[in-house]
Amino acid sequence: AQSVSQHNHHVILSEAASLELGCNYSYGGTVNLFWYVQYPGQHLQLLLKYFSGDPLVKGIKGFEAEFIKSKFSFNLRKPSVQWSDTAEYFCAVIYGNNRLAFGKGNQVVVIP
Amino acid sequence: DAGITQSPRYKITETGRQVTLMCHQTWSHSYMFWYRQDLGHGLRLIYYSAAADITDKGEVPDGYVVSRSKTENFPLTLESATRSQTSVYFCASSELAGVSYNEQFFGPGTRLTVL
Repeated sequence: AQSVSQHNHHVILSEAASLELGCNYSYGGTVNLFWYVQYPGQHLQLLLKYFSGDPLVKGIKGFEAEFIKSKFSFNLRKPSVQWSDTAEYFCAVIYGNNRLAFGKGNQVVVIP
Repeated sequence: DAGITQSPRYKITETGRQVTLMCHQTWSHSYMFWYRQDLGHGLRLIYYSAAADITDKGEVPDGYVVSRSKTENFPLTLESATRSQTSVYFCASSELAGVSYNEQFFGPGTRLTVL
């Protein structure tokens, strides 16, 4: 099974601050990478995904992520967060037979 | 409405009882998945299915049973519930085609409490 590591499980920051969440995966072959977001009390929604091509991927709500193959990383960024970005963020990688391996998540709290 | 639904949304049961969580999707996606979400563990795959009548174990299958007689339904059964199965359960579906290739779509979740 593949493993996905997310650091800084709890992040607290003020509105307008920049956010960067780290994600490292263990799989060495071709990867499909995802960031999902779970707002309080809601189900997971896709923020962005990388399959191939430009390693800088833009997603919804101003989020972007950069795939760095040499570092096995897929870090998520947002230049200026809003209170509504308070959520839990999960990095995930596809492996064998369309299965997703998830990281343990980053709980992000944005203070107004 | 089209999408993926789960029922019940909340369930309280007792140790030793059998519980079935339902999942239904209207997209005719080939793949369906069951995850459990626990604090500190993120989401862990319980079982998945690549098509009707094809199922396989995920990371944490013990104590669970699945079936998939129809493409749109993927019920998860806890044969004899234990307290350690108290969790939030998410169903998901995906397809290996089109613009949503490999993207998994999640249901709203079922919060299960085993007393």
